[in-house]
Amino acid sequence: AQSVTQPDIHITVSEGASLELRCNYSYGATPYLFWYVQSPGQGLQLLLKYFSGDTLVQGIKGFEAEFKRSQSSFNLRKPSVHWSDAAEYFCALFTGGGNKLTFGTGTQLKVEL
Amino acid sequence: DTGVSQNPRHKITKRGQNVTFRCDPISEHNRLYWYRQTLGQGPEFLTYFQNEAQLEKSRLLSDRFSAERPKGSFSTLEIQRTEQGDSAMYLCAFSVEQGTEAFFGQGTRLTVV
Repeated sequence: AQSVTQPDIHITVSEGASLELRCNYSYGATPYLFWYVQSPGQGLQLLLKYFSGDTLVQGIKGFEAEFKRSQSSFNLRKPSVHWSDAAEYFCALFTGGGNKLTFGTGTQLKVEL
Repeated sequence: DTGVSQNPRHKITKRGQNVTFRCDPISEHNRLYWYRQTLGQGPEFLTYFQNEAQLEKSRLLSDRFSAERPKGSFSTLEIQRTEQGDSAMYLCAFSVEQGTEAFFGQGTRLTVV
């Protein structure tokens, strides 16, 4: 079955510290993977995407993610977190012919000042 | 600006009433999606349109739900005889064409009392 797993429900980091959010997927073919961020009461903003090519992809707001096929993972990283990065982060996967998205349950990021 | 406008942003309704939400992409886009997001969960796919044709509906979309996209521009999602379990954020998204990323609107928060 096609699925996305985000093992960490909540993560707390200090401002300026590095961040890694985990994402594992299950998909039978080459995956198209995404990271979205959601602030409270808001819609989702696309941070970055992986379709093919370089396994390290750069996104907006200083985020990057690395695709590892052998581990079925697409972890999101940021070298130095800012207080404004506090939000909920969703990993997602294209599934089906219509390019609908299957999302993980999200990771809530808290940033301590 | 995500290129998608959703109205209303918030809706409180009594159980048993009908509600309708609207999604307006700023410009015409090939594919339009509806997702539902309950508290603490990632968004779940409901349905999608390619131009004016509704090509796929999730089993989450009971027969109390109906979506339309007349003329392939804006879309409406109607829920008849609302139930408390319908309380959620309803998100609209679009993509330009097959195989491209989806951009989300701000969502409509429905509360059924």
